[in-house]
Amino acid sequence: KQEVTQIPAALSVPEGENLVLNCSFTDSAIYNLQWFRQDPGKGLTSLLLIQSSQREQTSGRLNASLDKSSGRSTLYIAASQPGDSATYLCAVPRPYSGAGSYQLTFGKGTKLSVIP
Amino acid sequence: DTEVTQTPKHLVMGMTNKKSLKCEQHMGHRAMYWYKQKAKKPPELMFVYSYEKLSINESVPSRFSPECPNSSLLNLHLHALQPEDSALYLCASSQDGSLNTEAFFGQGTRLTVV
Repeated sequence: KQEVTQIPAALSVPEGENLVLNCSFTDSAIYNLQWFRQDPGKGLTSLLLIQSSQREQTSGRLNASLDKSSGRSTLYIAASQPGDSATYLCAVPRPYSGAGSYQLTFGKGTKLSVIP
Repeated sequence: DTEVTQTPKHLVMGMTNKKSLKCEQHMGHRAMYWYKQKAKKPPELMFVYSYEKLSINESVPSRFSPECPNSSLLNLHLHALQPEDSALYLCASSQDGSLNTEAFFGQGTRLTVV
């Protein structure tokens, strides 16, 4: 059974700092890993999808890395801003019900606070 | 356009009411999902439609009834809910049900059962 863990559960940093969020998974046979952002009481915004064949994926100030062999992914946020404050979730897909569909297994998230 | 639209944004209903949540996407995606998220917990899958075929989640109570009128629309019909069903209900879609496709989520419906 795939388990996804995110450490730390919460992180507070001053504005402008670079930071790293961690995600680990127990079954390395993954197809991809997706990072999401969730603002309080809101839905999930997809940030980056990194395929199993990729080592890194970048979007603006965000960079996600994937090391399947060690079961780890990191999300690097450069020059953090107060607007980056949110909960960040990572998720991996696994087959669901064998009917050509999948479900995402999520970590519990890291709540990031960027202090002005 | 990578938008998944959910209505309503907020819903308060009594335990004897019948209501429906709606979800729409125009990305041509053929897989659509309902997830439930309790406070401070990650989302959990309730239902999947892939090419308008439903995959049943045996653990979801029958008071939740999904419907997929066409490939762009997804409904969740609610009847005789309990206060513990209060949660954020999230709709998602992906290109198809294959494991290497990206999932896009809507902004959710905050449901309160009184």
